Amino acid sequence: KQEVTQIPAALSVPEGENLVLNCSFTDSAIYNLQWFRQDPGKGLTSLLLIQSSQREQTSGRLNASLDKSSGRSTLYIAASQPGDSATYLCAVRPLAAGNKLTFGGGTRVLVKP
Amino acid sequence: EPEVTQTPSHQVTQMGQEVILRCVPISNHLYFYWYRQILGQKVEFLVSFYNNEISEKSEIFDDQFSVERPDGSNFTLKIRSTKLEDSAMYFCASRTTFGGYEQYFGPGTRLTVT
Repeated sequence: KQEVTQIPAALSVPEGENLVLNCSFTDSAIYNLQWFRQDPGKGLTSLLLIQSSQREQTSGRLNASLDKSSGRSTLYIAASQPGDSATYLCAVRPLAAGNKLTFGGGTRVLVKP
Repeated sequence: EPEVTQTPSHQVTQMGQEVILRCVPISNHLYFYWYRQILGQKVEFLVSFYNNEISEKSEIFDDQFSVERPDGSNFTLKIRSTKLEDSAMYFCASRTTFGGYEQYFGPGTRLTVT
């Protein structure tokens, strides 16, 4: 059974510092991995999707890397801003038949001005 | 930009009552999903739906739950007899059948069972 873990559960950084968020998964047979942002009491906003054949994916200040063999992904957010404060979730989709995403518990980020 | 919408944003119901949560997926998407998030816990998969039938469901999705696509635009989740432990945020998601299979989520419905 796939397990997804995100450590740390919470992170506080001063504005301008780069953020490094970690995601690990136990079964490397994945189709893709998606990073989401969740604001308190709100829905999930998709940030990046990285296919299992890719090593990294970039969008603006965001960069996600994937090391499938070791079961890890990292989300980098450059030059953090107070508006980046949110919970960041990663989720994996299995390679086998099936569509469901398995989520990690998230990392709650606070960027202090 | 197209988005998934959900109604209502918040539903309060008494234990034992039936509730229907509604979703309008992105118009050209053909795969639909329901997930839920109990306060303080992980987002959990409930069910996926394609071609007018359930394609996959989790252990949580028992006989008390059902899904339907009553017309060309809506996708609903019904809970027949709500329990206290059904209190959660329920998210609808959709995706296309091509491309990277990115799932797009709605804003959620907060269900409170009293």
